Amino acid sequence: EIVLTQSPATLSLSPGEGATLSCRASQSVTRFLAWYQQKPGQAPRLLIYDASNRATGIPARFSGSGSGTDFTLTISSLEPEDFAVYYCQQRSKWPLTFGGGTKVEIK
Amino acid sequence: QVQLVESGGGVVQPGRSLRLSCAASGFTFSKYGMHWVRQAPGKGLDWVAVISYDGSDKYYADSVKGRFTISRDNSKNTLFLQMNSLRVEDTAVYYCAIEGADSGDYYLAAEYFQYWGQGTLVTVSS
Repeated sequence: EIVLTQSPATLSLSPGEGATLSCRASQSVTRFLAWYQQKPGQAPRLLIYDASNRATGIPARFSGSGSGTDFTLTISSLEPEDFAVYYCQQRSKWPLTFGGGTKVEIK
Repeated sequence: QVQLVESGGGVVQPGRSLRLSCAASGFTFSKYGMHWVRQAPGKGLDWVAVISYDGSDKYYADSVKGRFTISRDNSKNTLFLQMNSLRVEDTAVYYCAIEGADSGDYYLAAEYFQYWGQGTLVTVSS
């Protein structure tokens, strides 16, 4: 199965700062990668699909890039509601797999 | 609006069975693939199973293959997960999710998860 490794595990930042989250795949997933945001007690929320496409209703401060094995989720300027856990997910090969998550916490 | 409501979770002993349901509304259920995704307490997301829009195709994670069965009743807009031979490591919140991604301009039929239920907790413990 394709293993997705997210880094860092935790990112401590202040509101207004930018965030860069990484997801590395154990083999190429071309551009078939998504990013989700999850807050405590809530279901995940789709942010980005096919590496760089924003899902409906997602603010422009969220952007995705990358292809092959290396992907990045960028939050240009953190809002208070952005502090959460972020997961990447690939759909290139079965089984579908998720990364272990990056927690973005308030510094 | 789209709504997914899971039910059927609870506390069960190892080796026993449980059946989860996911009631769907607000969209044409029979047109979409459906998935189960789980999350152990304090852990990450773990994909479990998928069923095609008409029930003809099903795939499972290796960890549940042979023990879990996904099914659907399109006449009742309901998705199911039959879980047999439960193990302690199956303890998790189980989410149902609609396959696809919504850009706002179009809906992409791909193995992403735009819409999720609120989840139902399954605890396997003696």
